[in-house]
Amino acid sequence: KAGVTQTPRYLIKTRGQQVTLSCSPISGHRSVSWYQQTPGQGLQFLFEYFSETQRNKGNFPGRFSGRQFSNSRSEMNVSTLELGDSALYLCASRKGLAGDHSPLLFFGPGTRLTVL
Amino acid sequence: GQQLNQSPQSMFIQEGEDVSMNCTSSSIFNTWLWYKQDPGEGPVLLIALYKAGELTSNGRLTAQFGITRKDSFLNISASIPSDVGIYFCAGSSNTGKLIFGQGTTLQVKP
Repeated sequence: KAGVTQTPRYLIKTRGQQVTLSCSPISGHRSVSWYQQTPGQGLQFLFEYFSETQRNKGNFPGRFSGRQFSNSRSEMNVSTLELGDSALYLCASRKGLAGDHSPLLFFGPGTRLTVL
Repeated sequence: GQQLNQSPQSMFIQEGEDVSMNCTSSSIFNTWLWYKQDPGEGPVLLIALYKAGELTSNGRLTAQFGITRKDSFLNISASIPSDVGIYFCAGSSNTGKLIFGQGTTLQVKP
C-alpha cells in the first residue's frame, strides 16, 4: 500500500506570494492533518480534515487554510507569505472512520518551503 | 491545554551505548506513540502503546506506557549510526487528538 505523498517536495517563494501544497493520503484513509515544523518549535498542528470538512484547527492565522476533496486528497494554502512561514510542512493521514478514534498517524515526507 | 515534556532535548552518544528518553504529561493519555524522523523526511511510527504498564519492543527499541498514564519511556539498546534522528513522543486522549513532544535529537558517534 502506497504511503502518504506530498507535492512538491521543495518550494521557494518570496514574501507576499501565496502557495498551495498538496497531499494524497494512504488509500482508505479519510482523515488528513497538516503540521508545520520549524527548528526549535517541534510539530505545530495546523488543521485536520475529514470527509471534506475541517474537524480540528490549531492556532494559526487565517492566512493558513486548507481543503479536502471527495477522494480524500487535501491541499493547504498559505497567502501573503512571511519569512517566518519558512518550514517543513507535513501531511499525515489516518483512517478517521466514524467511531474510530485511532490516533495512528502516518506522515508524508513533507514539503520544504523557503520564503525569501 | 495539554502539554508534553520530552527529555532530554538532545543526546550525543557513542555507538554501542544504550539510550533512554521519556515524556511526561500533565494529563492522562489513552495511547502513547513514538516516532522517529530522519533528516529531511517525515516522522515514521516506531511503537504504539495502548494500555497502562504495557511494555512493547520493536527490534532494539523498547517503549513503556507508564502506570500513571501520564508518562512513557523509549529505550534504544546498542545504538548504531543509523539511529541518528529526532525522536518524538505523542499522546492521545479518547478523542483521538494527538499531542506531540518537542523531540529528542539523537546523534551517534561511530
